[in-house]
Amino acid sequence: DTGVSQDPRHKITKRGQNVTFRCDPISEHNRLYWYRQTLGQGPEFLTYFQNEAQLEKSRLLSDRFSAERPKGSFSTLEIQRTEQGDSAMYLCASSWAATDTQYFGPGTRLTVL
Amino acid sequence: GQQLNQSPQSMFIQEGEDVSMNCTSSSIFNTWLWYKQDPGEGPVLLIALYKAGELTSNGRLTAQFGITRKDSFLNISASIPSDVGIYFCAGQLDRDKIIFGKGTRLHILP
Repeated sequence: DTGVSQDPRHKITKRGQNVTFRCDPISEHNRLYWYRQTLGQGPEFLTYFQNEAQLEKSRLLSDRFSAERPKGSFSTLEIQRTEQGDSAMYLCASSWAATDTQYFGPGTRLTVL
Repeated sequence: GQQLNQSPQSMFIQEGEDVSMNCTSSSIFNTWLWYKQDPGEGPVLLIALYKAGELTSNGRLTAQFGITRKDSFLNISASIPSDVGIYFCAGQLDRDKIIFGKGTRLHILP
């Protein structure tokens, strides 16, 4: 299977801890997106990269959040000093910029206790 | 900001029935998308629409891009048990971030 993969699938952490998630996009997709989905809602855009460059960040992405895509392949999303309100599913998607049809990974479900 | 209003919020139907759901927006989009999400998984793209007025089918699914570019509908014919899930409409203005609706939860009664 060469789809988008995310790791871990589930993460439980205590408030105040830092967490990091990884996303591996479909091979050769040059765009990578991060979305957040809370219970009963649709996914909400957080940020996206074209190759290594982070092109847009949502206002939802507070300064406790940082995303990187150092070599233009996989990406990491780090949340520092987690809060209970950070509990959500974090989804990654990738696309080829020319068409931007986004394919989603299975998500990482974060629970902050 | 852009918002999508998706209706109905949930539907309870009998197997074999046809289903219709729709989505409206306060602003225009250049692309309309319909995704399905199963529990614990990411959304899966069902249909993408790129032109106002476009009507596109994918098996038992049919979707249309409204003429005003502010709405779209999705129909599912002859529903089957595996159609259960959450259906999201979504729009793109440019070829970048997707704006999602809140979803329609489809339940099929035994």
